[in-house]
Amino acid sequence: DTTVKQNPRYKLARVGKPVNLICSQTMNHDTMYWYQKKPNQAPKLLLFYYDKILNREADTFEKFQSSRPNNSFCSLYIGSAGLEYSAMYLCASSRAQVSNERLFFGHGTKLSVL
Amino acid sequence: AQSVTQPDARVTVSEGASLQLRCKYSYSATPYLFWYVQYPRQGLQLLLKYYSGDPVVQGVNSFEAEFSKSNSSFHLQKASVHWSDSAVYFCALSYNTNTGKLTFGDGTVLTVKP
Repeated sequence: DTTVKQNPRYKLARVGKPVNLICSQTMNHDTMYWYQKKPNQAPKLLLFYYDKILNREADTFEKFQSSRPNNSFCSLYIGSAGLEYSAMYLCASSRAQVSNERLFFGHGTKLSVL
Repeated sequence: AQSVTQPDARVTVSEGASLQLRCKYSYSATPYLFWYVQYPRQGLQLLLKYYSGDPVVQGVNSFEAEFSKSNSSFHLQKASVHWSDSAVYFCALSYNTNTGKLTFGDGTVLTVKP
């Protein structure tokens, strides 16, 4: 099974409220990633876990948190949603933390903040 | 800093015609280069990748791409497109930092007319 699953597929949130998105994979991949994608823009890396080590991108460091309670699951947490968080959130995983490794992506969670 | 440019936001071709989707990159060394495709209602999937050797790489569904160091390009090609090739195509690069971090282009929406 080479799938990455994301829940929910659609999420509605209110401004100022927290948001938690879930991702799972059953491929025993070491690395899991979260990307943010807005319409007509490139997917943008937010953070990634290699094993239990979290790496957050410098420009989104304070906006997103994440946890990885075990190898299969990874969450993306927004403490206080703002309108600018409305986007598609893509979870991905890869077998190893190397530069030429293929990423497997989930369908994404479309977050709408009102 | 590295970047990827896909100059054509939308491309429309007729079924059976040849296709070229353009990708230009900016990076001081030779990066690892990828093409991913997103079919409607699906997650991103790897089409092909390049990291060394023969500059022409073969991918799934008869796609191929040609790397050019002198032009800093990695154009995607297909000799004869099918209506099912309609999708969004993303060019991406990774650089040797022992991570799977990808820098994506904005994507090209391909429409194949029957």
